[in-house]
Amino acid sequence: KNQVEQSPQSLIILEGKNCTLQCNYTVSPFSNLRWYKQDTGRGPVSLTIMTFSENTKSNGRYTATLDADTKQSSLHITASQLSDSASYICVVSARGSQGNLIFGKGTKLSVKP
Amino acid sequence: NAGVTQTPKFRVLKTGQSMTLLCAQDMNHEYMYWYRQDPGMGLRLIHYSVGEGTTAKGEVPDGYNVSRLKKQNFLLGLESAAPSQTSVYFCASRPNRPGTSSRDTQYFGPGTRLTVL
Repeated sequence: KNQVEQSPQSLIILEGKNCTLQCNYTVSPFSNLRWYKQDTGRGPVSLTIMTFSENTKSNGRYTATLDADTKQSSLHITASQLSDSASYICVVSARGSQGNLIFGKGTKLSVKP
Repeated sequence: NAGVTQTPKFRVLKTGQSMTLLCAQDMNHEYMYWYRQDPGMGLRLIHYSVGEGTTAKGEVPDGYNVSRLKKQNFLLGLESAAPSQTSVYFCASRPNRPGTSSRDTQYFGPGTRLTVL
C-alpha cells in the first residue's frame, strides 16, 4: 500500500535555531516528492519538488533532500523564524496516477521567541 | 488573479441537510480536486476531475457528489450530511503540462470548515 510517514509529529524550537523534518515513503512507482507548508487556517503551499534524479533542492532557508534508494526525504530549515510556525506536509506522487498525490500527516512546527 | 477560491468559508449543518461547496480557479487549469482534512490524518482525496464534464472517485467518495460543468468551477455536494462529514474541505487545481517537473503541483484554496451537528 502506498504510504507516506512523517516524523516527528510535532516539534518546538527557538527562533534562530535549525531543524530537520523526516519523511519515509513506500510509494511505487515513484514520480516525485514535494514538501508543502500549511499555515493554520490556510491551504497547503508547495515549497519544493524533487524527481527521482534530484537529491537536493533549496528554496531560501528551506533545503529538501531525497534518497530514492532508501525512500527517505528530509526538510531542513535554517535560522528559523516565527513565520516558519506551520505544518509541513510531505507529499509523494506515483507515476501514472494522473498526478494524484499521497499525503503524509504532517509535522507541526512551532517556533518560539 | 485570485488563484483558487472556495465558498463558503464556514458552514454549520444539521444532520440530513444538504449543501454545495463551490470551488473556482482562474488559472485555466485542467485538473481539479476535492480533499478533506481531519485532525491527525493526511489530506484525503474525495473526488477529482481531469477536465470539464469529467469526474472520478478518489479515496473517500461515499456521501459526496461532484460536478464540473465549467472548466473553472468544481462543485462538491453533500446530499444528506452526517456528523462524520465534519471536516475541513480543500479544493485544489493543477495544470496539465506533461514532461515538466511542475506538472503535478497542485494549488490549494483556503478551505471550508464544515460542522455537521
